[in-house]
Amino acid sequence: AQSVTQLGSHVSVSEGALVLLRCNYSSSVPPYLFWYVQYPNQGLQLLLKYTTGATLVKGINGFEAEFKKSETSFHLTKPSAHMSDAAEYFCAVSEGIGANNLFFGTGTRLTVIP
Amino acid sequence: DAGVIQSPRHEVTEMGQEVTLRCKPISGHNSLFWYRQTMMRGLELLIYFNNNVPIDDSGMPEDRFSAKMPNASFSTLKIQPSEPRDSAVYFCASTLGASRWSGELFFGEGSRLTVL
Repeated sequence: AQSVTQLGSHVSVSEGALVLLRCNYSSSVPPYLFWYVQYPNQGLQLLLKYTTGATLVKGINGFEAEFKKSETSFHLTKPSAHMSDAAEYFCAVSEGIGANNLFFGTGTRLTVIP
Repeated sequence: DAGVIQSPRHEVTEMGQEVTLRCKPISGHNSLFWYRQTMMRGLELLIYFNNNVPIDDSGMPEDRFSAKMPNASFSTLKIQPSEPRDSAVYFCASTLGASRWSGELFFGEGSRLTVL
């Protein structure tokens, strides 16, 4: 069965600093990996996804993530944080096609300090 | 195109009362999901439907919870009787399912339930 671990429930960065949100997964088959973002009082929306192919994937708002099979990781990064990036970020894993197999991590709340 | 629409956005009720949450999925999507989000347990999948048929309700916490999808454009999640521990944000999400899945779930803005 698949699982996701997000290290750090809260991360604070200064505006303009690097954002790094960590995600490690467990999966018995090649996984599909996702990052979703949740802004206050809103639903989750897809930030980026890895299914097959290039291991470095780019998403919206300047975020990117790299699938590292050897480390079972899918960390989310952004070179320079903006105030508007303050939100909760969820890593998710799916074992194959089908949203019914999607399993979410517990989330990391990102605070951006002016 | 309209996204997933949920109502009510906020509901405050007293213990023992019936609560009905509503969801209109994105037109053309054939899979619908109900999630519950709490600080303690994070995001939990309660039930999902494919082509209006409940496929997996193993996440439904108790018999007090029930969900229906009478047609492709409407679903309800009912709690009867409600209890304070049911207080949470309930999300509905839709997508094209199975082999047509793009890898994206489309979430509504949620229904925040408070049971006093």
